[in-house]
Amino acid sequence: GDSVTQMEGPVTLSEEAFLTINCTYTATGYPSLFWYVQYPGEGLQLLLKATKADDKGSNKGFEATYRKETTSFHLEKGSVQVSDSAVYFCALSDLTSNTGKLIFGQGTTLQVKP
Amino acid sequence: KAGVTQTPRYLIKTRGQQVTLSCSPISGHRSVSWYQQTPGQGLQFLFEYFSETQRNKGNFPGRFSGRQFSNSRSEMNVSTLELGDSALYLCASSSRVNTEAFFGQGTRLTVV
Repeated sequence: GDSVTQMEGPVTLSEEAFLTINCTYTATGYPSLFWYVQYPGEGLQLLLKATKADDKGSNKGFEATYRKETTSFHLEKGSVQVSDSAVYFCALSDLTSNTGKLIFGQGTTLQVKP
Repeated sequence: KAGVTQTPRYLIKTRGQQVTLSCSPISGHRSVSWYQQTPGQGLQFLFEYFSETQRNKGNFPGRFSGRQFSNSRSEMNVSTLELGDSALYLCASSSRVNTEAFFGQGTRLTVV
């Protein structure tokens, strides 16, 4: 079945460092891809999305490009802040079920130190 | 536009009891999904409802059930609670398939 694999965390960076969180997927067809962020004690917030190959999603300085040839959707940010510390989830839409279900990776914890 | 609202935010229940969680989706969204989040298993899909019909169900025992009302509000019920049911339960709504889902803040259930 469809699946999402994220790099293991935690990722610890100093403020203003460059961030990459790797995400690869296995899917039938052309699902939409998403990055969600979860702050402590909160639900998931949509960070960005891409709906077709070569689309670049971006928001709040974060970017990710839908790469069909490498089945990847890596999250990047040029300069992280302490406030970016959170858990990041890569996800795809489950086209097989044809419902609103999303399939998530295991999450990557990011800790940014001042 | 109001976001997804889940109630209550926190619950403490005793083993063997049952619990009902509520979710109000974004206005106009007819699809509501439920997920269980635990440190060990991550985010696991419970079920999805659309126009009062369950369209998809995850790999959970029958003690987990849900329903959706005509106004798209949804409830999930867990009967005969076990310690392992302690988790953050997240509800998400979406407008159609193959699009983003918007999540509520979750209900933190603790079973003692």
